[in-house]
Amino acid sequence: AQSVTQLGSHVSVSEGALVLLRCNYSSSVPPYLFWYVQYPNQGLQLLLKYTSAATLVKGINGFEAEFKKSETSFHLTKPSAHMSDAAEYFCAVSEQLYGDDKIIFGKGTRLHILP
Amino acid sequence: DAGVIQSPRHEVTEMGQEVTLRCKPISGHDYLFWYRQTMMRGLELLIYFNNNVPIDDSGMPEDRFSAKMPNASFSTLKIQPSEPRDSAVYFCASTRAGGEYEQYFGPGTRLTVT
Repeated sequence: AQSVTQLGSHVSVSEGALVLLRCNYSSSVPPYLFWYVQYPNQGLQLLLKYTSAATLVKGINGFEAEFKKSETSFHLTKPSAHMSDAAEYFCAVSEQLYGDDKIIFGKGTRLHILP
Repeated sequence: DAGVIQSPRHEVTEMGQEVTLRCKPISGHDYLFWYRQTMMRGLELLIYFNNNVPIDDSGMPEDRFSAKMPNASFSTLKIQPSEPRDSAVYFCASTRAGGEYEQYFGPGTRLTVT
């Protein structure tokens, strides 16, 4: 069965610094991987997704993630943090079994941006 | 498209009362998911439907919770009777079969049971 582990429930970075949010997955078949962002009092919004095409995936708001099969990782990065990036970020994995389109979410990482 | 629509956005009720949450998925989407989010437990999948049929309800906490999808454009999640521990944000999400499995979330319903 698939699973997702996000390292660090809270991450703080200074404005302008590199953002790195870690995600490791477990899957018995080639996975589809996602990063979602949740701003306060809002639903989850898709940032980017990996669906077995290019291993480096670019998303919205300057974020990108790299799929590394050997490390079973899908870490999220952004070169320069902005105050507006403060939010909770969820990594998620999907593997289509028996035709079910279910995805499994990690527990989330809250990103704090320090002025 | 208007996206996934949920109502009400906020609900405050007293313990023992019946609560009904509503969701309208994106038109053309075949799957509908109900999630619950709390600080303690994070994001939990409660139940999901495919073509209006419940596929997996193993996440429904107990018999007090029930969900229906009478047609492709409407679903309800009902709690009867409600308890303070049901206080959470409930999200509805939808996706299209044969797509790339990304789910589109509604804005959520914040439920407070006193």
